[in-house]
Amino acid sequence: AQTVTQSQPEMSVQEAETVTLSCTYDTSESDYYLFWYKQPPSRQMILVIRQEAYKQQNATENRFSVNFQKAAKSFSLKISDSQLGDAAMYFCAYRTDGAGSYQLTFGKGTKLSVIP
Amino acid sequence: EAQVTQNPRYLITVTGKKLTVTCSQNMNHEYMSWYRQDPGLGLRQIYYSMNVEVTDKGDVPEGYKVSRKEKRNFPLILESPSPNQTSLYFCASSLGQGVGPQHFGDGTRLSIL
Repeated sequence: AQTVTQSQPEMSVQEAETVTLSCTYDTSESDYYLFWYKQPPSRQMILVIRQEAYKQQNATENRFSVNFQKAAKSFSLKISDSQLGDAAMYFCAYRTDGAGSYQLTFGKGTKLSVIP
Repeated sequence: EAQVTQNPRYLITVTGKKLTVTCSQNMNHEYMSWYRQDPGLGLRQIYYSMNVEVTDKGDVPEGYKVSRKEKRNFPLILESPSPNQTSLYFCASSLGQGVGPQHFGDGTRLSIL
């Protein structure tokens, strides 16, 4: 079974600064998908960004970007120009690309605080 | 408006009393899944469905059942709830296999005494 590790239970960042959340995973597969989800205090789950393992180019969505290092099995999330609304729990997730499977594994999350 | 609707939002019940948490999506998505969220454990997948009448186990299926008789609905059934199933539950849907869960419901807080 795949495992996803988020080694930083909590982090903080000054407003307008940049922060990077780390995620590592363990897999023997070569094709898979990686995701970052945001859960604000409202407890809604919001898909932030996704990355296909076969793509070398790092995904970007506005102020959110990833650093995908396939060999190192690392998938970090960078938030630029942090805003108060970025304060939330962030979850990294892994999904196998195996045919006939939609199994998804989440990390335990990183709580991000944004300091005004 | 694209929506995944879960009901109820909150429920307090007792051990052994069968309950169903409903989940409905209005986006004609093929993929639906259920998760439970516990403090310090993140989200864990309970069951998923890739289409009508196609369901499979996630990481923590014990004590749960699901069905997918219609594309829009994916109810989670606890036949004999126990206190260790006290948790926050999320239903999610997505259009394709590669996108991962795109839309989540607002969550159901279950307390089993």
